[in-house]
Amino acid sequence: TQLLEQSPQFLSIQEGENLTVYCNSSSVFSSLQWYRQEPGEGPVLLVTVVTGGEVKKLKRLTFQFGDARKDSSLHITAAQPGDTGLYLCAGFTGKLIFGQGTTLQVKP
Amino acid sequence: KAGVTQTPRYLIKTRGQQVTLSCSPISGHRSVSWYQQTPGQGLQFLFEYFSETQRNKGNFPGRFSGRQFSNSRSEMNVSTLELGDSALYLCASSFTPGPTGRTEAFFGQGTRLTVV
Repeated sequence: TQLLEQSPQFLSIQEGENLTVYCNSSSVFSSLQWYRQEPGEGPVLLVTVVTGGEVKKLKRLTFQFGDARKDSSLHITAAQPGDTGLYLCAGFTGKLIFGQGTTLQVKP
Repeated sequence: KAGVTQTPRYLIKTRGQQVTLSCSPISGHRSVSWYQQTPGQGLQFLFEYFSETQRNKGNFPGRFSGRQFSNSRSEMNVSTLELGDSALYLCASSFTPGPTGRTEAFFGQGTRLTVV
């Protein structure tokens, strides 16, 4: 069974702080995606990383795919209340396998 | 263009009943996947349809079934409902099915099913 483990599961920080969310697996994925889900909505794709070692930036968000394509991280710089939500990583192996998610709360 | 539409948004059913959920993908998208989301288990893959054929299936009992029509709309059915089936059921559509993994999946808002 291919599992994606995310850590931490919950994160509550003050506006302006930095944070990193991790997504780890013992399996190799052809690609890995990060989604953000707000209450009452479906997940929305933030980024797809496909190459080992790849780093992608989306404004204050930095995504990295591990060299062995088994893990990924999401780093948010100077978090804002609008970043609050559930962050999900998903690995693709013919179908999308999701991690449990990280619930982020950014307090003003 | 219109997004993924799931109906109904909310549903309350009694144990033992059956339920049918509907998903209309984005125009032009031929792949539709279904997921179950619960606080304890997270997002779990149910099945994927492409051009009316089931391409992948998750580890759910046979009470969970689905189908896709020629216009790419999809339905999922759950028979003999159990309390543990209470969840948010999400549908995602994409233009290109696997295996490249570079396809972006667009999710609907989901159907919140409560079994009492």
